[in-house]
Amino acid sequence: EAGVTQSPTHLIKTRGQQATLRCSPISGHTSVYWYQQALGLGLQFLLWYDEGEERNRGNFPPRFSGRQFPNYSSELNVNALELEDSALYLCASSLEGNTEAFFGQGTRLTVV
Amino acid sequence: GENVEQHPSTLSVQEGDSAVIKCTYSDSASNYFPWYKQELGKGSQLIIDIRSNVGEKKDQRIAVTLNKTAKHFSLHITETQPEDSAVYFCAATHPQTGANNLFFGTGTRLTVIP
Repeated sequence: EAGVTQSPTHLIKTRGQQATLRCSPISGHTSVYWYQQALGLGLQFLLWYDEGEERNRGNFPPRFSGRQFPNYSSELNVNALELEDSALYLCASSLEGNTEAFFGQGTRLTVV
Repeated sequence: GENVEQHPSTLSVQEGDSAVIKCTYSDSASNYFPWYKQELGKGSQLIIDIRSNVGEKKDQRIAVTLNKTAKHFSLHITETQPEDSAVYFCAATHPQTGANNLFFGTGTRLTVIP
């Protein structure tokens, strides 16, 4: 069974640009979670989508946004990139909002 | 670059038993190894970390061991409790190289059965 897949694995952008990160959940999973991992800060919760709707949002500015498609895949968009947005972005999926989540390997975003 | 492998991917233990999660890394220059506890829909928690000049570190029921020669490190949880159920991530990095170089394992889903 395929796990959670994220693309691209690495992404380099310049300040002010927009970044789009993609996530495909495990087949049958309806919930997708996005996390940001910056050094020393642990995994920080960004967004939770379930059945196409945003269910919860972490403490991030509005330039972090996303969506979930009818096939349950998801995009994370980061507008007006700042240097401190450089981090590993992890996506996870679960069967529903309250069951175990499986993580992808992440997208490493570098803002220069 | 660094490659971190984590095993097992899932682990079930009876309450009160011990749980051990193992990670290996590839880059001998890595010198900082944190462990994170991830609960669904919440932020993660840094539960313990170890640096390469230390072989073992303990904090109450949690301990981490590091074998730099073999390039592996392990998380040990003793006297497990149901609230220990979560996903645990190991990671490896060189703190000097900046925020973009924390390499994670793929996680271990620990279930503690009451």
